[in-house]
Amino acid sequence: NAGVTQTPKFRVLKTGQSMTLLCAQDMNHEYMYWYRQDPGMGLRLIHYSVGEGTTAKGEVPDGYNVSRLKKQNFLLGLESAAPSQTSVYFCASSYRGIRNTEAFFGQGTRLTVV
Amino acid sequence: DAKTTQPNSMESNEEEPVHLPCNHSTISGTDYIHWYRQLPSQGPEYVIHGLTSNVNNRMASLAIAEDRKSSTLILHRATLRDAAVYYCIPYIIQGAQKLVFGQGTRLTINP
Repeated sequence: NAGVTQTPKFRVLKTGQSMTLLCAQDMNHEYMYWYRQDPGMGLRLIHYSVGEGTTAKGEVPDGYNVSRLKKQNFLLGLESAAPSQTSVYFCASSYRGIRNTEAFFGQGTRLTVV
Repeated sequence: DAKTTQPNSMESNEEEPVHLPCNHSTISGTDYIHWYRQLPSQGPEYVIHGLTSNVNNRMASLAIAEDRKSSTLILHRATLRDAAVYYCIPYIIQGAQKLVFGQGTRLTINP
């Protein structure tokens, strides 16, 4: 039982390049989330999904797109990377809505845009 | 705006209890109080959550004040592995399914 797995763990991109971050969970969770963490800013929600085929915007969605084609996977895409997107990205999942349950987080993807 | 207040840092000794305070004076009556922690270079990890009464699990205890304006996370016997940033999260933006992470308390455990 791997929990929440993020791929890749590290990546360096040039400005304007695109990439996709993959999040996979093996707990049959309905809800999945993408957060970013910047120094001194805490974690901020980018996008989330309440089930297969659904996505919704979080607090800082600009510059990112997401897809949830399969229940176990949640993809975060950067179409044209910018230095401001240098951050550590965390994926999380939960069995149901976050109000009264625990979220499980992945180990993070450290992305640097130069 | 909702406001959470936690000490920036705390220090304790190994094998001693640790009490981590959190003030959340504007919490609504239906908001659960969640605690997460983040070990160095890792993702956040769920610790405990509760609504009104005190809660216990294998990791910690959560003591919630009667007026719910404050809560205390209790680590009964700290180990070096408990050194982390601890986040008190009393506000869930339900429509947005958002855990609102503040700055947290950085806990240092001395051997």
